[in-house]
Amino acid sequence: QVHLAESGGGLVKPGGSLRLSCGVSGFSVSDYYISWIRQSPGKGLEWLSYIGGSERAIYYADSVRGRFTISRDDTRNSVSLQIHSLRAEDTAVYYCARDVLGGFDFWGRGTLVTVSS
Amino acid sequence: SYELTQPPSVSVSPGQTARITCSGDVMAKQYAYWYQQKPGQAPLLLIYKDIERPSGIPERFSGSSSGTTATLTISGVQVEDEAHYYCQSGAIGGLYYVFGTGTEVTIV
Repeated sequence: QVHLAESGGGLVKPGGSLRLSCGVSGFSVSDYYISWIRQSPGKGLEWLSYIGGSERAIYYADSVRGRFTISRDDTRNSVSLQIHSLRAEDTAVYYCARDVLGGFDFWGRGTLVTVSS
Repeated sequence: SYELTQPPSVSVSPGQTARITCSGDVMAKQYAYWYQQKPGQAPLLLIYKDIERPSGIPERFSGSSSGTTATLTISGVQVEDEAHYYCQSGAIGGLYYVFGTGTEVTIV
Protein backbone atom coordinates (compact mmCIF):
# COMPACT_ATOMS: atom_id res chain seq x y z
CA GLN A 1 0.00 0.00 0.00
CA VAL A 2 1.40 3.35 -1.05
CA HIS A 3 2.00 5.76 1.82
CA LEU A 4 3.90 9.02 2.17
CA ALA A 5 4.42 10.76 5.50
CA GLU A 6 6.03 14.15 6.04
CA SER A 7 7.81 15.12 9.23
CA GLY A 8 10.06 17.85 10.54
CA GLY A 9 7.73 20.82 10.54
CA GLY A 10 7.39 23.20 13.45
CA LEU A 11 7.87 26.76 14.67
CA VAL A 12 11.02 28.43 13.41
CA LYS A 13 12.35 31.97 13.77
CA PRO A 14 12.92 34.07 10.67
CA GLY A 15 16.33 33.37 9.23
CA GLY A 16 16.38 29.87 10.64
CA SER A 17 16.66 26.53 8.86
CA LEU A 18 14.59 23.39 8.82
CA ARG A 19 14.83 19.93 7.32
CA LEU A 20 11.64 18.23 6.23
CA SER A 21 11.47 14.51 5.53
CA CYS A 22 9.13 12.42 3.46
CA GLY A 23 9.07 8.77 4.45
CA VAL A 24 7.72 6.44 1.79
CA SER A 25 6.34 2.91 1.88
CA GLY A 26 4.73 0.80 -0.82
CA PHE A 27 7.16 1.79 -3.57
CA SER A 28 10.80 2.73 -4.03
CA VAL A 29 11.60 6.43 -4.19
CA SER A 30 14.29 5.62 -6.73
CA ASP A 31 11.62 4.44 -9.19
CA TYR A 32 9.59 7.65 -9.20
CA TYR A 33 9.86 11.41 -9.18
CA ILE A 34 8.91 12.89 -5.81
CA SER A 35 7.87 16.52 -5.47
CA TRP A 36 7.46 18.93 -2.59
CA ILE A 37 4.42 21.19 -2.77
CA ARG A 38 3.29 23.74 -0.21
CA GLN A 39 0.10 25.53 0.71
CA SER A 40 0.10 28.76 2.68
CA PRO A 41 -2.79 29.20 5.12
CA GLY A 42 -5.99 29.75 3.18
CA LYS A 43 -4.11 29.86 -0.11
CA GLY A 44 -3.52 27.70 -3.13
CA LEU A 45 -0.93 25.08 -3.99
CA GLU A 46 2.63 25.93 -4.97
CA TRP A 47 4.97 23.38 -6.52
CA LEU A 48 8.48 23.71 -5.07
CA SER A 49 10.87 21.03 -6.26
CA TYR A 50 11.29 17.48 -7.48
CA ILE A 51 13.90 14.78 -7.41
CA GLY A 52 13.70 11.64 -9.45
CA GLY A 53 15.11 8.88 -11.52
CA SER A 54 18.35 6.98 -11.32
CA GLU A 55 20.16 10.15 -12.32
CA ARG A 56 18.51 12.00 -9.40
CA ALA A 57 17.20 14.77 -11.64
CA ILE A 58 16.44 17.88 -9.58
CA TYR A 59 14.58 21.06 -10.32
CA TYR A 60 13.34 23.97 -8.22
CA ALA A 61 10.71 26.63 -8.62
CA ASP A 62 12.24 30.06 -9.21
CA SER A 63 10.72 31.26 -5.94
CA VAL A 64 12.79 28.88 -3.80
CA ARG A 65 15.90 28.16 -5.86
CA GLY A 66 18.98 28.90 -3.80
CA ARG A 67 17.27 28.52 -0.41
CA PHE A 68 15.76 25.03 -0.72
CA THR A 69 17.72 21.82 -1.25
CA ILE A 70 16.06 18.52 -2.10
CA SER A 71 17.77 15.18 -1.58
CA ARG A 72 16.98 11.49 -1.56
CA ASP A 73 18.09 8.57 0.60
CA ASP A 74 17.40 5.35 -1.24
CA THR A 75 18.45 3.19 1.72
CA ARG A 76 15.89 4.88 3.94
CA ASN A 77 13.39 5.21 1.08
CA SER A 78 12.89 8.86 1.85
CA VAL A 79 13.16 12.32 0.35
CA SER A 80 14.17 15.45 2.25
CA LEU A 81 13.81 19.18 1.79
CA GLN A 82 16.30 21.46 3.50
CA ILE A 83 15.06 25.03 3.85
CA HIS A 84 17.40 27.90 4.70
CA SER A 85 16.87 31.57 5.54
CA LEU A 86 13.24 31.01 6.42
CA ARG A 87 10.85 33.92 5.92
CA ALA A 88 7.34 34.59 7.17
CA GLU A 89 6.03 33.83 3.69
CA ASP A 90 7.42 30.29 3.96
CA THR A 91 4.73 29.56 6.54
CA ALA A 92 2.70 26.76 4.99
CA VAL A 93 1.76 23.11 5.04
CA TYR A 94 4.43 21.24 3.11
CA TYR A 95 3.38 18.13 1.21
CA CYS A 96 5.41 15.49 -0.57
CA ALA A 97 3.75 13.74 -3.48
CA ARG A 98 4.51 11.02 -6.02
CA ASP A 99 4.66 12.11 -9.64
CA VAL A 100 3.09 9.71 -12.12
CA LEU A 101 2.39 10.65 -15.75
CA GLY A 102 2.92 14.32 -14.93
CA GLY A 103 0.43 14.48 -12.08
CA PHE A 104 0.58 13.69 -8.37
CA ASP A 105 -1.28 10.51 -7.55
CA PHE A 106 -0.31 10.00 -3.91
CA TRP A 107 0.25 12.72 -1.31
CA GLY A 108 1.27 12.75 2.31
CA ARG A 109 -0.89 14.48 4.90
CA GLY A 110 1.53 17.40 5.11
CA THR A 111 3.66 19.00 7.82
CA LEU A 112 3.11 22.55 9.03
CA VAL A 113 5.98 25.00 9.04
CA THR A 114 5.41 28.25 10.91
CA VAL A 115 7.96 31.04 10.63
CA SER A 116 7.54 33.57 13.39
CA SER A 117 9.58 35.39 15.99
CA SER B 1 6.42 32.63 -15.52
CA TYR B 2 3.22 30.87 -16.49
CA GLU B 3 -0.08 31.39 -14.72
CA LEU B 4 -3.23 29.30 -14.65
CA THR B 5 -6.43 31.20 -13.90
CA GLN B 6 -9.53 29.61 -12.40
CA PRO B 7 -12.78 31.24 -11.28
CA PRO B 8 -12.59 31.82 -7.52
CA SER B 9 -15.95 30.21 -6.87
CA VAL B 10 -18.70 28.19 -8.47
CA SER B 11 -22.10 27.58 -6.92
CA VAL B 12 -24.26 24.69 -7.98
CA SER B 13 -27.34 22.83 -6.76
CA PRO B 14 -27.31 19.08 -6.11
CA GLY B 15 -27.87 17.12 -9.31
CA GLN B 16 -26.80 19.99 -11.53
CA THR B 17 -23.60 20.25 -13.57
CA ALA B 18 -20.60 22.26 -12.45
CA ARG B 19 -17.93 23.36 -14.89
CA ILE B 20 -14.59 24.75 -13.74
CA THR B 21 -12.23 26.32 -16.22
CA CYS B 22 -8.45 26.63 -16.12
CA SER B 23 -6.98 29.14 -18.51
CA GLY B 24 -3.41 29.89 -19.45
CA ASP B 25 -1.08 29.87 -22.44
CA VAL B 26 0.71 26.79 -21.14
CA MET B 27 -2.49 24.77 -21.48
CA ALA B 28 -2.10 24.87 -25.25
CA LYS B 29 1.11 22.87 -24.89
CA GLN B 30 0.70 20.77 -21.75
CA TYR B 31 -1.75 18.30 -20.31
CA ALA B 32 -4.12 19.37 -17.55
CA TYR B 33 -4.47 17.64 -14.20
CA TRP B 34 -7.25 18.26 -11.69
CA TYR B 35 -7.36 17.86 -7.92
CA GLN B 36 -10.05 18.02 -5.28
CA GLN B 37 -9.14 19.25 -1.80
CA LYS B 38 -11.41 19.15 1.21
CA PRO B 39 -10.62 21.05 4.43
CA GLY B 40 -7.75 19.57 6.37
CA GLN B 41 -6.98 16.99 3.68
CA ALA B 42 -4.33 16.58 1.03
CA PRO B 43 -5.37 17.08 -2.59
CA LEU B 44 -6.83 14.11 -4.46
CA LEU B 45 -6.03 13.53 -8.13
CA LEU B 46 -9.28 13.51 -10.12
CA ILE B 47 -8.15 13.80 -13.74
CA TYR B 48 -4.79 13.29 -15.44
CA LYS B 49 -3.60 13.96 -18.97
CA ASP B 50 -6.68 16.11 -19.73
CA ILE B 51 -9.32 13.39 -19.75
CA GLU B 52 -8.13 10.29 -17.87
CA ARG B 53 -9.66 9.31 -14.56
CA PRO B 54 -7.69 7.33 -11.96
CA SER B 55 -9.29 4.19 -10.64
CA GLY B 56 -11.75 4.90 -7.87
CA ILE B 57 -12.72 8.35 -9.11
CA PRO B 58 -16.47 8.56 -9.85
CA GLU B 59 -17.53 8.86 -13.48
CA ARG B 60 -19.32 12.14 -12.76
CA PHE B 61 -15.89 13.80 -12.85
CA SER B 62 -14.65 14.40 -16.40
CA GLY B 63 -12.08 16.59 -18.08
CA SER B 64 -11.63 18.25 -21.43
CA SER B 65 -9.22 20.69 -23.00
CA SER B 66 -9.27 23.01 -25.97
CA GLY B 67 -6.69 25.60 -26.88
CA THR B 68 -5.58 27.47 -23.81
CA THR B 69 -8.43 26.31 -21.56
CA ALA B 70 -8.98 23.06 -19.71
CA THR B 71 -12.32 22.27 -18.10
CA LEU B 72 -13.34 20.02 -15.23
CA THR B 73 -16.98 18.98 -15.37
CA ILE B 74 -18.86 17.51 -12.44
CA SER B 75 -22.10 15.98 -13.68
CA GLY B 76 -24.87 15.36 -11.20
CA VAL B 77 -23.12 17.21 -8.39
CA GLN B 78 -23.43 15.65 -4.96
CA VAL B 79 -23.20 17.32 -1.59
CA GLU B 80 -19.87 15.64 -0.91
CA ASP B 81 -18.39 17.38 -3.96
CA GLU B 82 -18.23 20.65 -2.02
CA ALA B 83 -14.49 21.35 -1.96
CA HIS B 84 -11.70 23.35 -3.53
CA TYR B 85 -10.55 22.28 -6.98
CA TYR B 86 -7.15 22.97 -8.51
CA CYS B 87 -5.82 22.48 -12.01
CA GLN B 88 -2.14 21.82 -12.71
CA SER B 89 -0.11 21.90 -15.87
CA GLY B 90 2.15 19.14 -17.01
CA ALA B 91 5.86 19.78 -16.68
CA ILE B 92 6.67 22.97 -18.54
CA GLY B 93 9.72 22.40 -20.69
CA GLY B 94 9.87 19.06 -18.95
CA LEU B 95 11.09 20.89 -15.88
CA TYR B 96 8.52 22.47 -13.57
CA TYR B 97 4.86 22.50 -12.69
CA VAL B 98 2.28 25.22 -12.14
CA PHE B 99 -0.97 25.00 -10.20
CA GLY B 100 -4.07 27.01 -10.93
CA THR B 101 -5.45 29.62 -8.57
CA GLY B 102 -8.13 27.28 -7.26
CA THR B 103 -11.93 27.22 -7.33
CA GLU B 104 -14.23 26.77 -4.38
CA VAL B 105 -17.30 24.76 -5.30
CA THR B 106 -20.29 25.45 -3.08
CA ILE B 107 -23.41 23.34 -3.11
CA VAL B 108 -26.49 25.52 -2.65
